[in-house]
Amino acid sequence: GQSLEQPSEVTAVEGAIVQINCTYQTSGFYGLSWYQQHDGGAPTFLSYNALDGLEETGRFSSFLSRSDSYGYLLLQELQMKDSASYFCAVRSDDKIIFGKGTRLHILP
Amino acid sequence: ETGVTQTPRHLVMGMTNKKSLKCEQHLGHNAMYWYKQSAKKPLELMFVYNFKEQTENNSVPSRFSPECPNSSHLFLHLHTLQPEDSALYLCASSGGAAEAFFGQGTRLTVV
Repeated sequence: GQSLEQPSEVTAVEGAIVQINCTYQTSGFYGLSWYQQHDGGAPTFLSYNALDGLEETGRFSSFLSRSDSYGYLLLQELQMKDSASYFCAVRSDDKIIFGKGTRLHILP
Repeated sequence: ETGVTQTPRHLVMGMTNKKSLKCEQHLGHNAMYWYKQSAKKPLELMFVYNFKEQTENNSVPSRFSPECPNSSHLFLHLHTLQPEDSALYLCASSGGAAEAFFGQGTRLTVV
């Protein structure tokens, strides 16, 4: 079967750094991506890793280790607007499978 | 604006009604998806179309019937739904990488 595991909730303080982990089990792996979804909105693409290593895009970075079937999303200099759900997703054959999402709570 | 448009944004329907959700993309993508997102639940993949051919039906009840007349349009036909089918229905498209572009979704309420 195919599955992705990520924590259901994470809490962090404004201005701090937070890491959201994702482990996956899938066949035909093509890459790991991350999405952000605010309440009432649609998921929006954040980042994509096809190869091992760290990808940085502004305050957000994403990491992938294919040998460990593991990745993470790193959010730096947290802002209140970063409060949202974050989903990891894998491209497997012709479909994109999403994790259950991590609800990020940010405290002032 | 992601380039994926869904209509209607909100829909209330009775259990005996028949309605259709529409999704349109002009991004040149070859894959289109229907996902269901219930309250406090993860995104559930329903159907996948690749080059207009259905390649995935994730054990979805037959009261949901997808249609993909061309690579830019995707429909989800609904009939005799149940109250537990009330959810946000999201359409997405992708062009071959792991990046999917989502529409704003249709908030469906079955009464």
